[in-house]
Amino acid sequence: TQLLEQSPQFLSIQEGENLTVYCNSSSVFSSLQWYRQEPGEGPVLLVTVVTGGEVKKLKRLTFQFGDARKDSSLHITAAQPGDTGLYLCAGATGREGGFKTIFGAGTRLFVKA
Amino acid sequence: DVKVTQSSRYLVKRTGEKVFLECVQDMDHENMFWYRQDPGLGLRLIYFSYDVKMKEKGDIPEGYSVSREKKERFSLILESASTNQTSMYLCASKFGGELFFGEGSRLTVL
Repeated sequence: TQLLEQSPQFLSIQEGENLTVYCNSSSVFSSLQWYRQEPGEGPVLLVTVVTGGEVKKLKRLTFQFGDARKDSSLHITAAQPGDTGLYLCAGATGREGGFKTIFGAGTRLFVKA
Repeated sequence: DVKVTQSSRYLVKRTGEKVFLECVQDMDHENMFWYRQDPGLGLRLIYFSYDVKMKEKGDIPEGYSVSREKKERFSLILESASTNQTSMYLCASKFGGELFFGEGSRLTVL
């Protein structure tokens, strides 16, 4: 069974602080995605990483895929209250992620103004 | 923009009732999915469909069934609701590796 473990489960920080969220697995994935879910909404895709060692930047968010394609991290610089939400990592196997995507349990981030 | 619409945002049902959760997508995507989301467990796949009238079991199909009579519509059915099916249910369609989710249906079974 493929599992994705996220840490920490919960994070409460002050506006302006930096943070890193981790997603780890013993399985190899062809791609790994990060989604953000706000209260009362469905998850929305932030980024997909497909190459081992790949780093992608999305404004203040930096995503990295591990060299062995088993883990990923999300780093947020100078967090803002608008970053508050549930961050989910999701791993897929096969071309275009096949039919099944495995989700981690999520990291709930709260950024205080 | 892709739109995935779930028919009910909130439902309260009694144990033993039959429950229908409807999902419609407007982008002609072939693949559609039903997940349930519970605190600390993330999203778990119940069923998915890769074409009309086709369905495949996900990781937790027990107690659920699905119907896909038209490409745009994927329905989740609880034949006899139980309290352990109280959860948030998320429908999604998929294209190019990306999942597009609806807003979710929060079901409470009393």
